[in-house]
Amino acid sequence: EADIYQTPRYLVIGTGKKITLECSQTMGHDKMYWYQQDPGMELHLIHYSYGVNSTEKGDLSSESTVSRIRTEHFPLTLESARPSHTSQYLCASSDTRGGTGELFFGEGSRLTVL
Amino acid sequence: KNQVEQSPQSLIILEGKNCTLQCNYTVSPFSNLRWYKQDTGRGPVSLTIMTFSENTKSNGRYTATLDADTKQSSLHITASQLSDSASYICVVTDRGSTLGRLYFGRGTQLTVWP
Repeated sequence: EADIYQTPRYLVIGTGKKITLECSQTMGHDKMYWYQQDPGMELHLIHYSYGVNSTEKGDLSSESTVSRIRTEHFPLTLESARPSHTSQYLCASSDTRGGTGELFFGEGSRLTVL
Repeated sequence: KNQVEQSPQSLIILEGKNCTLQCNYTVSPFSNLRWYKQDTGRGPVSLTIMTFSENTKSNGRYTATLDADTKQSSLHITASQLSDSASYICVVTDRGSTLGRLYFGRGTQLTVWP
């Protein structure tokens, strides 16, 4: 079982609120990712990180921001949530230095913005 | 354009029956193909990985095949169980860059009825 954790699992907030989705992994993986997933659709990469102090935007434009101050921690922040941000957010990590490249996913954070 | 197409979109079978899920891709150059299982409300979990030289790989009741010439893969589930009800996602990695970009299918939603 993967040692990658996301909190909160579910969040319902009002428009304009600031939220942070937490993601932590204890596997020492160098690369971490945030994906957005809507029902019946493929996962879309919104952010990724190669390591500490490295962050990059993914394929899907997102108003969220991320940080990687510690290897194990990769939080995602929305400064002002809107209903269009309602979605499932999945955090993942992988070991690109010697592993198979397998993605290990967290349980997901389901965000609803009213 | 690099794409991953999965079929069928959804499938309902009776417990104990076998089924086969399809994945066609246009990703090039090809590195590997993975099948992930995603239970409702959970993160995806890797089932198998197929590289260019592999034709078949099994993981318990799951057997994946790969035809790199036709760019097709299948996931065969034998003697289905209720716990097999999930979304099965095909993910193809390219080797056109050091990033190893991932391309996700939309998944096949499998429902197993008692």
